[in-house]
Amino acid sequence: SAVISQKPSRDICQRGTSLTIQCQVDSQVTMMFWYRQQPGQSLTLIATANQGSEATYESGFVIDKFPISRPNLTFSTLTVSNMSPEDSSIYLCSVEARTGAYEQYFGPGTRLTVT
Amino acid sequence: KNEVEQSPQNLTAQEGEFITINCSYSVGISALHWLQQHPGGGIVSLFMLSSGKKKHGRLIATINIQEKHSSLHITASHPRDSAVYICAAQTSGSRLTFGEGTQLTVNP
Repeated sequence: SAVISQKPSRDICQRGTSLTIQCQVDSQVTMMFWYRQQPGQSLTLIATANQGSEATYESGFVIDKFPISRPNLTFSTLTVSNMSPEDSSIYLCSVEARTGAYEQYFGPGTRLTVT
Repeated sequence: KNEVEQSPQNLTAQEGEFITINCSYSVGISALHWLQQHPGGGIVSLFMLSSGKKKHGRLIATINIQEKHSSLHITASHPRDSAVYICAAQTSGSRLTFGEGTQLTVNP
């Protein structure tokens, strides 16, 4: 299995500011993903964080708004830029680890409130 | 119509009851995941299924590939089982498509 930690666990931010969320895994993994869960909604994939290259963004998400870094195989950051109240969500990091079969593991999430 | 649909959306049970949550999907899958999300937001992976049935403690997950349907069962439910249960279909590669979730409340 893979153990994932995220920082911060929660934050309250003012509109117009930016927040960087960190995701740390206890083992080297190939695939890391960032998801958003807006209040009352299901999870939506923001992007796949690729080590050594730019992240791959899903439709509706752009690098200027959600820049992602992946400096190595155990760490990634997601920045939520120029925040508005609509960005209030839970942001989740997940990884794919191959332990016999490909399995996905999820982090504890970062609960963001934008005022 | 969502590609992954769960029912019911909300479920309230008494401690000790047998619980079933259903998931139907309309896409081709390589695996079906059941996840548990507690109020703090963190998600725990419960099962990953590609066929048949898996059991872990009081939790049982089944899948019928032909009918594109999966169920999550909880036997002898307990208040600590209260959480949101999410079904997710793994399609191409690692891509997951999530259901809306089922909010389960187990009362003592």
